Amino acid sequence: EVQLVDFGGGLVQPGGSLRLSCAASGFTFSSYWMTWVRQAPGKGLEWVANIKQDGSEKYYVDSVKGRFTISRDNAQNSLSLQVNSLRAEDTAIYYCARNNRGFDYWGQGTLVTVSS
Amino acid sequence: EIVLTQSPATLSLSPGERATLSCRASQHVSNYLAWYQQKPGQAPRLLIYDASNRATGIPARFSGSGSGTDFTLTISSLEPEDFAVYYCQQRSNWPLTFGGGTKVEIK
Repeated sequence: EVQLVDFGGGLVQPGGSLRLSCAASGFTFSSYWMTWVRQAPGKGLEWVANIKQDGSEKYYVDSVKGRFTISRDNAQNSLSLQVNSLRAEDTAIYYCARNNRGFDYWGQGTLVTVSS
Repeated sequence: EIVLTQSPATLSLSPGERATLSCRASQHVSNYLAWYQQKPGQAPRLLIYDASNRATGIPARFSGSGSGTDFTLTISSLEPEDFAVYYCQQRSNWPLTFGGGTKVEIK
């Protein structure tokens, strides 16, 4: 059974940092692009970042470029998102998702709250 | 950036009725369009990929159509569990983008 488990969220002050993680199981992790998507409270979905199977290509939404870094460890079947210089507008549930001509499996999400 | 505009914002229907949701892209996306369903407190669920292909386990009452800039998600006969928010998403160009969503609510 494919499973994605997100964790690492929490309450952080503006300008702070967190490392979000996603543990994958039930599929060959190294064969898929992986993604982070976020959803601000009461709002729609926003794509954040993608990483290629071997980590050689990474793409980001403009609003997080230079502040967020996506990475993966295929040996550990894990995906990460290092989020730095956090702003109030980064407050959201962050989901990891598997790419398969659409985001076909999702984690349960981890909440990041940026507030003083 | 490709902007996806979904309409209507809210659709009020009764169980058993047909739902027709629209997604219009600001640029041509070929057939690289997906649809998702999201219920409160849950992660989104992939319904349709590449405009018209049902994802694994999705009931046949869900269908997608369109190509280029205009796409439609149709739910042929609404079941109680179908009342939710629906999003379209394109993977034709970076950045990947989602539409603003259509809420299907019980009339």
